[in-house]
Amino acid sequence: AQSVTQLDSHVSVSEGTPVLLRCNYSSSYSPSLFWYVQHPNKGLQLLLKYTSAATLVKGINGFEAEFKKSETSFHLTKPSAHMSDAAEYFCVVLSGGYQKVTFGTGTKLQVIP
Amino acid sequence: DSGVTQTPKHLITATGQRVTLRCSPRSGDLSVYWYQQSLDQGLQFLIQYYNGEERAKGNILERFSAQQFPDLHSELNLSSLELGDSALYFCASSGKLAGSYNEQFFGPGTRLTVL
Repeated sequence: AQSVTQLDSHVSVSEGTPVLLRCNYSSSYSPSLFWYVQHPNKGLQLLLKYTSAATLVKGINGFEAEFKKSETSFHLTKPSAHMSDAAEYFCVVLSGGYQKVTFGTGTKLQVIP
Repeated sequence: DSGVTQTPKHLITATGQRVTLRCSPRSGDLSVYWYQQSLDQGLQFLIQYYNGEERAKGNILERFSAQQFPDLHSELNLSSLELGDSALYFCASSGKLAGSYNEQFFGPGTRLTVL
């Protein structure tokens, strides 16, 4: 079985402060993990991905995520939030020969000026 | 621009009707995925095709069907539409190799409204 849990449905931060969006997963296989961002009325855009190379993954727009196998986590972070980061973020796990894909329920990030 | 195109952008129809949503993947991508995004259900994976064959099925209703054509474009058919089918339908494409863990590139979506 495979699942993704995004621990917070909403996160609110002040502009210029750090961002932490939490994601835990379970998978019977060695997974690939992704973070996608969706701005209002837009499609999803890939932020970053982990595919069993370096455990600390850097993505676009200053985001990064660390794969921690012992904790089955793949939390997304950014040192300093920008107003343009306000969006919904999805954690995704992909695994198995048929690339079974599972999306998390999403975390809405609000950035307060 | 992801390179994935979807038509139409918006579709308004009535209950009981049938509609077809179309997706053209990025050039060279062999996998196509369909998703439904609604306020109450979130983002749900419906079905995946790889090079014309069905590869994985998610929460797709029996009233829904899809196919991928030889030119790799895909169509999602929704029939006997209900109010609850109103949602944003996304198509994504990925990869060139079977079994590769490639990220998916999403189209802009088709917003379906069932009245």
